[in-house]
Amino acid sequence: DIQMTQSPSSLSASVGDRVTITCRASQNIVNYVNWYQHKPGTAPRLLIYAASTLQSGVPSRFSGSGSGTDFTLTISSLQPEDLATYYCQQSYNTFTFGPGTTVDIK
Amino acid sequence: QVQLVQSETEVKKPGSSLKVSCKTSGDTFSSFGLNWVRQAPGQGLEWLGGIIPVFGTTNYAQKFQGRITITTDESTNTVFMELRSLRSEDTAFYYCAREEFNSWPRFDSWGQGTLVTVSS
Repeated sequence: DIQMTQSPSSLSASVGDRVTITCRASQNIVNYVNWYQHKPGTAPRLLIYAASTLQSGVPSRFSGSGSGTDFTLTISSLQPEDLATYYCQQSYNTFTFGPGTTVDIK
Repeated sequence: QVQLVQSETEVKKPGSSLKVSCKTSGDTFSSFGLNWVRQAPGQGLEWLGGIIPVFGTTNYAQKFQGRITITTDESTNTVFMELRSLRSEDTAFYYCAREEFNSWPRFDSWGQGTLVTVSS
């Protein structure tokens, strides 16, 4: 099975800050990475697929990059509504989620 | 607007079985895969398995092999997830999620979630 790790596990940042979350796969998964946002009491929301493609309707402050085993999700200017947990997911061989990164607003 | 409507909250005894449903539209049923993801209290998202209704093919996470069955009812465009031999660790929110199987594999729409509590 392909394992996914994320860092940091949590972070606290101010509104307007640039936030970067990293995700690492246990093997080469090319660009088969998706990113989701999950807020308590709601269903997860797809943000990015194929490592860097923005899902329709997602604000442009979200971006993704990477290939092979190392990937990043960047929020260019953190907004109060971005308080959530963010998960990477590999879709190279079935599906596996990373453990999540909780983003808190200072 | 894609709608995935899940069944209501369930309370189950350890050792029993669970069957959660996810009702969708005819278009989704014929053109997409449906997957199941759960989130236990204080834990992250976990993929359990999925089905492509038009082909009837299923795929399960190794962890749940032998304990999970995903099926469909074409007459109502509904997908079911059955989990057997429940234990307290199966307490979680269970979500169905749509996957466009002839495109990039991703979950682009989700059900509202079903809370399942396993307790004696």
